[in-house]
Amino acid sequence: AQSVTQLGSHVSVSEGALVLLRCNYSSSVPPYLFWYVQYPNQGLQLLLKYTSAATLVKGINGFEAEFKKSETSFHLTKPSAHMSDAAEYFCAAFNMLTFGGGTRLMVKP
Amino acid sequence: ETGVTQTPRHLVMGMTNKKSLKCEQHLGHNAMYWYKQSAKKPLELMFVYNFKEQTENNSVPSRFSPECPNSSHLFLHLHTLQPEDSALYLCASSQAGGNTEAFFGQGTRLTVV
Repeated sequence: AQSVTQLGSHVSVSEGALVLLRCNYSSSVPPYLFWYVQYPNQGLQLLLKYTSAATLVKGINGFEAEFKKSETSFHLTKPSAHMSDAAEYFCAAFNMLTFGGGTRLMVKP
Repeated sequence: ETGVTQTPRHLVMGMTNKKSLKCEQHLGHNAMYWYKQSAKKPLELMFVYNFKEQTENNSVPSRFSPECPNSSHLFLHLHTLQPEDSALYLCASSQAGGNTEAFFGQGTRLTVV
């Protein structure tokens, strides 16, 4: 069975600072992994996906994530936070059956 | 606009009412999903349909009844709900198989009074 864990339900950064949102997966084989963003009262929007073609994946809005098999991780990063990045972020695995608990990102001016 | 449309966007219903949520996708996908998102709880998968056949029922109470008449439409029929069923209900679609992303609707905000 696969599971996805997001460390930190809330992350706060200053505008312009590095954003790091953590996601670890548990699986016997490397899964397909996705990051989604959700703005208030909206559905989830795909940021990026890992499907084994490349370990460093670039997504929309300047986000990227690196798949590290040795660490079973797929952390999301952005070099410089913007106020508009404030939202909830979800890591998901294979078949859309497994989502992490979500991380709410707050960006301070 | 993601190609997945949910109606209504907001719904208030009494515990004795019967209502239905509708989801429609125009992406040519063959898998559709219902999720429940409650405050301070993880996203919960409720039902999955692949090629119109239900393949997942995640121990959902029978007061929630899904229907998938064709690969483009998905309904969630609601009856005798409880206040704790108040949540954002999200519909999503994808190509069946697991290696492609799902596209989500904007959700229906349900309040049970």
